[in-house]
Amino acid sequence: GQQLNQSPQSMFIQEGEDVSMNCTSSSIFNTWLWYKQDPGEGPVLLIALYKAGELTSNGRLTAQFGITRKDSFLNISASIPSDVGIYFCAGPTSGSSNTGKLIFGQGTTLQVKP
Amino acid sequence: KAGVTQTPRYLIKTRGQQVTLSCSPISGHRSVSWYQQTPGQGLQFLFEYFSETQRNKGNFPGRFSGRQFSNSRSEMNVSTLELGDSALYLCASSPSGVTYEQYFGPGTRLTVT
Repeated sequence: GQQLNQSPQSMFIQEGEDVSMNCTSSSIFNTWLWYKQDPGEGPVLLIALYKAGELTSNGRLTAQFGITRKDSFLNISASIPSDVGIYFCAGPTSGSSNTGKLIFGQGTTLQVKP
Repeated sequence: KAGVTQTPRYLIKTRGQQVTLSCSPISGHRSVSWYQQTPGQGLQFLFEYFSETQRNKGNFPGRFSGRQFSNSRSEMNVSTLELGDSALYLCASSPSGVTYEQYFGPGTRLTVT
C-alpha cells in the first residue's frame, strides 16, 4: 500500500538554526499536508500544497511540493523553543477523491536547545 | 470560530467493555474523520463520515464503528475492548467540497486495562 517516509526521524538543534525535513513516497500524491503535533494535543495543520513545484510559506515555515509529486519538503527558519514537537506529512490515499482519508508519515521529532 | 472538540479527553476502561467517544466538528464542516494514534503504528485512518453516511473506511476490525448525526457531530464506538486498543483517538473535520485539509481535535486518550 501507499506509504510516506519522513526523514530524519528526529532532530536536536540549537535555537536560531534552520531546519529541513522531507517526506517521500513511491506513489504520486496530488496534495501534501504538513502538520505539527504538541504532546497531548491533536495535529495542527501548518501548510497545504496542491500543485507540483508549489512553494508556500507560513511565517518562518516554508514547504515545497516536489516536481516529481513523490516528495515534499518543510523548512523552518530561525528555530525557536516553541517549534519543538512532531512534524507529520500527510496526503490523500489513491482513489480517495473528495474523501477525508489521509495517510501520515511516521513523523519527525524536533527538539530545540535554547 | 470554535475548533474541533472531543469528549471525554481521557478514559480508562477494562478489557471486554465498550466505549463511545464523541466529536463536534468546526461549525459548517460536514466531513468528520477518525484516526487512531499509537507509538507503534502512528496515525491510522479509521473512517470518515459525510452527511450522516460513512464515505470511507480503514482497515480496522468490525469492533470499531461510528456514526454521524444531522448536526454533523460524530461518535465512534469500540466494542469488546482489547489491550491493544489503548491509543489516542483523534477526530478531524473538513469543510464541504473538494479539500483534503483536515482540522484535528485534541483527541481522547483511551487506556484499556
